[in-house]
Amino acid sequence: EIVLTQSPATLSLSLGERATLSCRASQNVSSDVLAWYQQKPGQAPRLLIFAASTRATGIPDRFSGSGAGTDFTLTISRLEPEDFAVYYCHQYGSSQTFGPGTKVDIK
Amino acid sequence: QVQLQESGPRLVKPSETLSLTCTVSGGSISSSYWSWIRQPPGKGLEWIGYVYYTGKTDYNPSLTTRVTITVDMSKNQFSLKLNSVTAADTAVYYCARGSGRFYFWGQGALVTVSS
Repeated sequence: EIVLTQSPATLSLSLGERATLSCRASQNVSSDVLAWYQQKPGQAPRLLIFAASTRATGIPDRFSGSGAGTDFTLTISRLEPEDFAVYYCHQYGSSQTFGPGTKVDIK
Repeated sequence: QVQLQESGPRLVKPSETLSLTCTVSGGSISSSYWSWIRQPPGKGLEWIGYVYYTGKTDYNPSLTTRVTITVDMSKNQFSLKLNSVTAADTAVYYCARGSGRFYFWGQGALVTVSS
């Protein structure tokens, strides 16, 4: 099983700041099968990024994804109020696993 | 726009079978793969498995001995059965469209395993 590790567990930032979230895989993951989701309390997750760097339909361009192999990054260029949430990475190339999540909260 | 809605018992006794159905509206179930994902209270996400309209399935290796996912094209629904449940199976169960890239999700159904 491919284990995904996310860091940090919590990221405390202010509005307008840049957020950098890391996802590390225990084995190589094809960039084609790495996604990022945003989840707010009481809601289903929302697909942000797929294929490591492709924004899903309707996702603002302040969200960007990058990386390859075992190291992937989600960047939010300037935090807006609606961006404070939990973010999960997800690989779907070898069975499917999710990372434990990074909570982005207001400093 | 595709919409998904989970339905089924919200309370299941230990050792019994958890059964949920996802009803798809706004699109045909024959157009895609369909998945179940769960989330224990306060914890992260776990993929359970998916079904294609042909009946082809793939399951999480950690659950494969207990899980069955089926599709009913006549009703535009797909279903989850998880047997021999324990308290560890208490979770919000989501249905979603796709086999890995999940654009559309149901609202989720909290299923509690308790006597």
